[in-house]
Amino acid sequence: EIVLTQSPGTLSLSPGERATLSCRASQSVRNNCVAWYQQKRGQASRLLIYGASTRATGIPDRFSGSGSGTDFTLTISRLEAEDSALYYCQQCGNSRTFGQGTNIEIK
Amino acid sequence: EVQLEESGGGLVQPGESLTLSCAASGFISGFYWMSWVRQAPGKGREWVGQINQDGSQKYYNDFVKGRFTISRDNARNSLYLHIDSLRVDDTGVYYCARDVMGGVFDMWGQGTMVTVSS
Repeated sequence: EIVLTQSPGTLSLSPGERATLSCRASQSVRNNCVAWYQQKRGQASRLLIYGASTRATGIPDRFSGSGSGTDFTLTISRLEAEDSALYYCQQCGNSRTFGQGTNIEIK
Repeated sequence: EVQLEESGGGLVQPGESLTLSCAASGFISGFYWMSWVRQAPGKGREWVGQINQDGSQKYYNDFVKGRFTISRDNARNSLYLHIDSLRVDDTGVYYCARDVMGGVFDMWGQGTMVTVSS
């Protein structure tokens, strides 16, 4: 099983700042099949990024994904108050596994 | 509105069985692979399994060990998860999700909570 480790656990940033979230896989992810999701309290999860770097439909270009192999990154440039949420990565190169998530708090 | 809505969770005793439902609206779920994902308290999400468009193919995570069965009724635009011999460690929120592009979940429900306790 591919274990995904996300860091940091929590980020506390101000509006307008950049957030950089890491997702490290225990082994190389086939086809860089990595997705990122946003989860707000009381709402369904929202797909942000798939294929490591492709934005899902309707996702603002403030959200970007990068990485390959075992190291993947979600970057949120110019944070807005509405970005306060839990973000988690998922790999689909070998079955499907999820990271524990990074919680972003907007000051 | 395009959405998924789970139901059927609740408090059950160890050893009992339970069937969860997932109703799709705003789209034809029968056109898609669908998956169940669960999340135990304080832990990350865990993929349970998936079913193809006509229900003829089903794949499960190794931990399932025959206790979980995924099914669907396309006439009702619905997905189901039946769990036998429930254990305390099956406690958690169970989500249904639309499974596209070989393992990306592009739509999720809000989940239904299952608590297994005596």
